[in-house]
Amino acid sequence: VQLVESGGGSVQPDGSLRLACAASGFTFDDYAMHWVRQAPGKGLEWVSGITWNSVKIDYADSVEGRFTISRDNAKNSLYLQMNSLRAEDTAVYYCVKDNYDNTGDHAYFDFWGQGTLVTVTS
Amino acid sequence: DIQLTQSPSSLSASVGDRVTISCRTSQSITESLNWYQQKPGKAPKLLIFAASSLQSGVPSRFSGSGSGTDFTLTITSLQPEDFATYHCQQSFSTPQTFGQGTKVEFK
Repeated sequence: VQLVESGGGSVQPDGSLRLACAASGFTFDDYAMHWVRQAPGKGLEWVSGITWNSVKIDYADSVEGRFTISRDNAKNSLYLQMNSLRAEDTAVYYCVKDNYDNTGDHAYFDFWGQGTLVTVTS
Repeated sequence: DIQLTQSPSSLSASVGDRVTISCRTSQSITESLNWYQQKPGKAPKLLIFAASSLQSGVPSRFSGSGSGTDFTLTITSLQPEDFATYHCQQSFSTPQTFGQGTKVEFK
């Protein structure tokens, strides 16, 4: 399994960025996917998740209305469109693969990309 | 949102020590609790899922236990490569939330 993020960089407040994640080594359209971020020196924060067929999409309150998650199963790719960026969005953003245990009751994140750094600064 | 509280926030230990890290949740999550290890500058790595199931390839010195609101990660004999930060995460409800992390440092 490989998850390779791209699209990070430095942007001014209120600016936009689009992150991409190229997935390989597994059947991409069998799994939900997520974005998780980590601000410098801080803990992990789930940002957004999308089911395999894009039917169910969820966002953290902190990004709702500003970020949009999407996927292209034909291209084995996950995206995060980030608009109206704020200083507090500065973080490493990880692309994460979802999985379930044998019972189907308990989900977990079994593979993570290396992350891409987003810096929001004037 | 479900809050996760890890304790301690940091600990100092020596190679060979038995280490336990606690994760307490603000409401019952049955067994929907996962543990991750993170080394500086690296992505988190899954250790334990569904409270007590060992991820493939993870050494058997790592184990998890608990259900409801109280969970524990145990490292039976700490190895040099285990010095890292450990995070718990609940997948019971959205938003999936993480503990603040526990840093295991060399004594």
